[in-house]
Amino acid sequence: NFMLTQPHSVSESPGKTVTISCTRSSGSIASNYVQWYQQRPGSSPTTVIYEDTQRPSGVPDRYSGSIDSSSNSASLSISGLKTEDEADYYCQSYDGTNQVFGGGTKLTVL
Amino acid sequence: QVQLVQSGAEVKKPGSSVKVSCKTSGGTFSTYAFTWVRQAPGQRLEWMGLIIPIFGTSNYAQKFQGRVTITADDSTSTAYMELSSLRSDDTAVHYCARVDMTTMAIDYWGQGTLVTVSS
Repeated sequence: NFMLTQPHSVSESPGKTVTISCTRSSGSIASNYVQWYQQRPGSSPTTVIYEDTQRPSGVPDRYSGSIDSSSNSASLSISGLKTEDEADYYCQSYDGTNQVFGGGTKLTVL
Repeated sequence: QVQLVQSGAEVKKPGSSVKVSCKTSGGTFSTYAFTWVRQAPGQRLEWMGLIIPIFGTSNYAQKFQGRVTITADDSTSTAYMELSSLRSDDTAVHYCARVDMTTMAIDYWGQGTLVTVSS
């Protein structure tokens, strides 16, 4: 099994762009789709990116996902930051039918 | 509209078992997998296991092997997670979630069930 490593926390000002990375420890990041979930305090997670780059309906286009084979990582970018974007963000992929979650990144919008 | 509605909070004694249900509506139950993820207070999401109802197969995280059993009842569109030999560090919110089997992406989450283990 591989691991997904995320920064523990990131912070940025309103209106700016932030990028959260998710690095796969072994095997190619491109081998299996990566998803990103947002979790606000006291709430269930919700999907903001699926299949590496796809946004579910209702998720603003300020959210985008990408993968980079050279760094073996996936990234979630949020542009035009708003205070409502402040939350924990988790990346997720899979190994067969085993699901693998990153450790989560706390985004602070200050 | 897809909904996953979980059973209510539980308080259990150490050494006992708990069974949490997850009733789904909207969509065709048997065309999805269902996964269970837990979150201890202030901690990260932790994958516990997954079931594919159409095949009747379950797969569990190594950490929970032997203690967790995930089942599904197609007739009621309900998934279940049973955790045995409970310890205080099993205190957590347990989430069920629906998984698209072609991408292994979670598309809908339940509201979570708090299981508290305390003597």
